[in-house]
Amino acid sequence: DAGITQSPRHKVTETGTPVTLRCHQTENHRYMYWYRQDPGHGLRLIHYSYGVKDTDKGEVSDGYSVSRSKTEDFLLTLESATSSQTSVYFCAIRPGLEGAPEQYFGPGTRLTVT
Amino acid sequence: KQEVTQIPAALSVPEGENLVLNCSFTDSAIYNLQWFRQDPGKGLTSLLLIQSSQREQTSGRLNASLDKSSGRSTLYIAASQPGDSATYLCAVQDNTNAGKSTFGDGTTLTVKP
Repeated sequence: DAGITQSPRHKVTETGTPVTLRCHQTENHRYMYWYRQDPGHGLRLIHYSYGVKDTDKGEVSDGYSVSRSKTEDFLLTLESATSSQTSVYFCAIRPGLEGAPEQYFGPGTRLTVT
Repeated sequence: KQEVTQIPAALSVPEGENLVLNCSFTDSAIYNLQWFRQDPGKGLTSLLLIQSSQREQTSGRLNASLDKSSGRSTLYIAASQPGDSATYLCAVQDNTNAGKSTFGDGTTLTVKP
């Protein structure tokens, strides 16, 4: 299994509070992604990173920010959590173009905003 | 904008049957297509990846095909077992350096003993 961990695994927070989720990899892969999954649906891309300090928006980026100060860590921040951000958040990694094309996923973080 | 559709949304079959799951996508400019399995409350497990230049991939009882020109992929499961019960997701990766993926909503498979 790819070395990806996410923390915390579960979190309950109140509307309006800031929340930061962490994705940590031990594979030294270049690309990292944050997705959210809502019940009965597939995954939707929030933000992604193609290197240290290099990030870009995905399909559903409003209300989220990211940072990547080290190759191994990719942080997702909800500046002011809302109930619509209750979801399961998955991190994924992928090597650069010279590596295998598969994405590997972390175990997910279940976030509940009350 | 890429759109991915999976039909059916749910499927129930008796043990031992062969079955086909379908995935269609609107933009044929893809880098690859990946099939995943997801058990309830769990993460995603990669099953098969088909590069855009390939037609099919096989792993054990699973066979995935890709027809890029028509925007379709199928996942064939032979001799289904109760342990195959899960949600199956397909994802298409674009052919930019970012390699962003678009997912379907999945097909939930139940195999009855």
